[in-house]
Amino acid sequence: ETGVTQTPRHLVMGMTNKKSLKCEQHLGHNAMYWYKQSAKKPLELMFVYSLEERVENNSVPSRFSPECPNSSHLFLHLHTLQPEDSALYLCASSQLGGPPLHFGNGTRLTVT
Amino acid sequence: KQEVTQIPAALSVPEGENLVLNCSFTDSAIYNLQWFRQDPGKGLTSLLLIQSSQREQTSGRLNASLDKSSGRSTLYIAASQPGDSATYLCAMETGGFKTIFGAGTRLFVKA
Repeated sequence: ETGVTQTPRHLVMGMTNKKSLKCEQHLGHNAMYWYKQSAKKPLELMFVYSLEERVENNSVPSRFSPECPNSSHLFLHLHTLQPEDSALYLCASSQLGGPPLHFGNGTRLTVT
Repeated sequence: KQEVTQIPAALSVPEGENLVLNCSFTDSAIYNLQWFRQDPGKGLTSLLLIQSSQREQTSGRLNASLDKSSGRSTLYIAASQPGDSATYLCAMETGGFKTIFGAGTRLFVKA
């Protein structure tokens, strides 16, 4: 079992749908992250939670809504997305914001 | 604006060749510099972490160096193998949970 597990691996959704991405870490870390990876662009940090509190919200549109119910779980709730939101969404964890980051395998999201 | 630039964007080499991947960054006050590997459709795997007080780190056939004064890091891969084919990303941490990534170098090692 990998340290950081993301589900689903692939998701296709219409622009009017509501869906959620899930991330679970089994490493005992206390910081969790959402990153967006678009084709040929650097990873973009979206949200950071430390000790279950949001400490970073990197100017992300409100159609993305994170939730961190405990230190092991992180969700990204999606609604009324745009086609340009199609990307690989990566979850990561670390210990108190320090390196290294441990990544999940991502959710490949396609918005039609 | 803090940026990380990786050159080249793509590289194809024959098996057995030694190669160097380059990374440049704009902020000399970095906390650390990390190199990651990403296989197609997968997440990132941490390869090497260089703290700001260090000059280099080694793991097997990989060696990464850090020169803060010039804003550069290199990843040296010795005796490349087809299994090394992947995208390699460097990332600088500037504190406050912020890790800034380069766009990566896509490496293809031909058998």
